[in-house]
Amino acid sequence: AQSVSQHNHHVILSEAASLELGCNYSYGGTVNLFWYVQYPGQHLQLLLKYFSGDPLVKGIKGFEAEFIKSKFSFNLRKPSVQWSDTAEYFCASLNTGFQKLVFGTGTRLLVSP
Amino acid sequence: DGGITQSPKYLFRKEGQNVTLSCEQNLNHDAMYWYRQDPGQGLRLIYYSQIVNDFQKGDIAEGYSVSREKKESFPLTVTSAQKNPTAFYLCASSIRQGYPNTEAFFGQGTRLTVV
Repeated sequence: AQSVSQHNHHVILSEAASLELGCNYSYGGTVNLFWYVQYPGQHLQLLLKYFSGDPLVKGIKGFEAEFIKSKFSFNLRKPSVQWSDTAEYFCASLNTGFQKLVFGTGTRLLVSP
Repeated sequence: DGGITQSPKYLFRKEGQNVTLSCEQNLNHDAMYWYRQDPGQGLRLIYYSQIVNDFQKGDIAEGYSVSREKKESFPLTVTSAQKNPTAFYLCASSIRQGYPNTEAFFGQGTRLTVV
């Protein structure tokens, strides 16, 4: 069955620390992968996406993610976080055959100033 | 402006009543989705639809029903059979497979409270 796992449920960092959030997906067919962010009181926004090609994708606000097919992973990274990055982050996979979009349970990131 | 509109923003329902949440999009997207968001559980897929007059159950479809009579509309009915309906509901849409950009766009959500 198609599923997405995010193992870090809560992460607390100080400003300027580096960030890496784990994401693993289970579907073995063709998938598109996404990271979405939900800032407090706001709707979900797309951070970055992977469809094909270069496995290292860059998104908005200095975020990047690396697709590693052999590990079924799509981890999110940022070299230096800011207080404004405090939010909840969701990894998602789209089964391109059935157009089924599935999300992970999310990671709450708190960045202290 | 193009986008997804969910209404109402807040909804209260008495136990035992059915209630319908509205989702309209003017993005000309083929695929539409309904999710339920609960603290610590992320977004769980209720139903999704690839094209008009077609829809599939997601991971938690029990107690919910949908219709897709028009491309731009995908209403969700929360029935009295749903045991724990109090939640935040999100609607999304995306261009169907075959196009270069298949990211999903989200509405602002409807918070349903059963009283």
